[in-house]
Amino acid sequence: DAMVIQNPRYQVTQFGKPVTLSCSQTLNHNVMYWYQQKSSQAPKLLFHYYDKDFNNEADTPDNFQSRRPNTSFCFLDIRSPGLGDAAMYLCATSRETALVGDEQFFGPGTRLTVL
Amino acid sequence: GEDVEQSLFLSVREGDSSVINCTYTDSSSTYLYWYKQEPGAGLQLLTYIFSNMDMKQDQRLTVLLNKKDKHLSLRIADTQTGDSAIYFCAESPGSGNTGKLIFGQGTTLQVKP
Repeated sequence: DAMVIQNPRYQVTQFGKPVTLSCSQTLNHNVMYWYQQKSSQAPKLLFHYYDKDFNNEADTPDNFQSRRPNTSFCFLDIRSPGLGDAAMYLCATSRETALVGDEQFFGPGTRLTVL
Repeated sequence: GEDVEQSLFLSVREGDSSVINCTYTDSSSTYLYWYKQEPGAGLQLLTYIFSNMDMKQDQRLTVLLNKKDKHLSLRIADTQTGDSAIYFCAESPGSGNTGKLIFGQGTTLQVKP
C-alpha cells in the first residue's frame, strides 16, 4: 500500500553525469516536494509543485531541475552532479500546503552517491 | 531568519519518559510539527500543533508549545525500544511562505532495554 514511491532507492552516478530521480504518488495530492538531506542534517526543501505551478527555493542551485508531467509523477534532474550533491533525496506530497497544516507524506528516499 | 534547532542525541531506558526539545525563530509560524524517521524509511508525521495552542496530547505523545520562548517539546511516555528513531521538529513559517517546512537537524533517540 505504498503511497509515495521513490525509484531507485540507491543511485550511483559519476561526477558530471546527469541523473534523474523519480517519485510517484497514489494519493492524488496537489502538492509534490523535493527535499535534499545530507548526512546528519535537516531535510532542506529544493522546490515544490502545486499542481502544475513550480515553486523554486531561492537558494536551490541551477544544477537542480524538476518536472511534473502529471499529478502522479515528479522527477528531480541533476544536470551535472558534483561530489557535494551526494545526499538522500526525499519526495513528499500533501493535499494542500503547510499553510493550512496539511500533513506531508514522505517517500523512503533515494540515496545518491557521486563518484 | 528561519532556523530550527534541536539537540542531536537522547538516550533513555525502556519505560522511562523521553523529552525532545526544539527551538525555532519564526514567531509567525502557524503550525509546528514532529516527524519520526526510522532507519531506511521516509519521515512520518507523528503530531502537529497549531500556534494558538499550548499543549496537545495524543496517546503516549504530549506536545508543549511556549510561543514566548519559541520552544517546542515532544514528550513520549513509557518509551519503548520501537520508539528508537530520529525525531525532527519542523515549522511552517507564516510570512511569505509558499507552504514549505523548515526542519531541525533531528534528535536521535536511543532506547535501551
